[in-house]
Amino acid sequence: DTAVSQTPKYLVTQMGNDKSIKCEQNLGHDTMYWYKQDSKKFLKIMFSYNNKELIINETVPNRFSPKSPDKAHLNLHINSLELGDSAVYFCASSQESQARQPQHFGDGTRLSIL
Amino acid sequence: QQPVQSPQAVILREGEDAVINCSSSKALYSVHWYRQKHGEAPVFLMILLKGGEQKGHDKISASFNEKKQQSSLYLTASQLSYSGTYFCGTETQGGSEKLVFGKGTKLTVNP
Repeated sequence: DTAVSQTPKYLVTQMGNDKSIKCEQNLGHDTMYWYKQDSKKFLKIMFSYNNKELIINETVPNRFSPKSPDKAHLNLHINSLELGDSAVYFCASSQESQARQPQHFGDGTRLSIL
Repeated sequence: QQPVQSPQAVILREGEDAVINCSSSKALYSVHWYRQKHGEAPVFLMILLKGGEQKGHDKISASFNEKKQQSSLYLTASQLSYSGTYFCGTETQGGSEKLVFGKGTKLTVNP
C-alpha cells in the first residue's frame, strides 16, 4: 500500500514543452506539498495546500501551477519547460498544515529537460 | 533562512558512532530529521519541539537546544543501513508553517 504515490517516476522532455506530475496520498492527511530537489540535493519547498487551499507559495516562476482537486490529490503543471527545471520533484503530505507534523514523501519524479 | 549542517560528509566503519549538527541563526520552533538513501525519497526519523527535549529511534537519537538554536543527531553503533544523506528541516518561530531544509550530511557506513 503506497502512502504517497507520484506519476510519472521519470519524465524526459524537450525545452519549451508543457508537462504535468500527479500526486495522490491515501493517508487521510489534510496537507500536501511540492518540493524540488536539485542536482546538489538541496530540498526546497515550492507549494503547500491544506484541504485544497494554497497556504505556501514560495518564490516559484508562474510557469509552475499547482492544483488540488481534493485533499488527497495535488498535481503540478509546468509550462514552457526550461533547462533549469531539471530536478527531482517530491510530493509529500502531513496530518496538518503546521510544520510540527511528520511529512511523508512520495518516491519522486525525475524530470530531465533536453 | 537555511539551517547549517555539519559535517558535510562522514565515513564510518560499522559499529562506530557519529554526530550530525544542525544550527540556525533564527529562533526555532521545531526541528525535523530525515534520511534519504540514494535514488529514494526522504524518510522521516523524528521531530523535536522547543523545550530541549531529546528523542530516540532505535540507536538514533537527537537533542534540541532552543537557546543555542541547535539540534544534534546521534547515531550509535552504526549499521550499514544507516548510510544515506541526513537532512534537518527547521521551522522558525512565528508560525511560518514551512520547513526549511539544510544541505544535508552524507553518511557512509563501511563494513
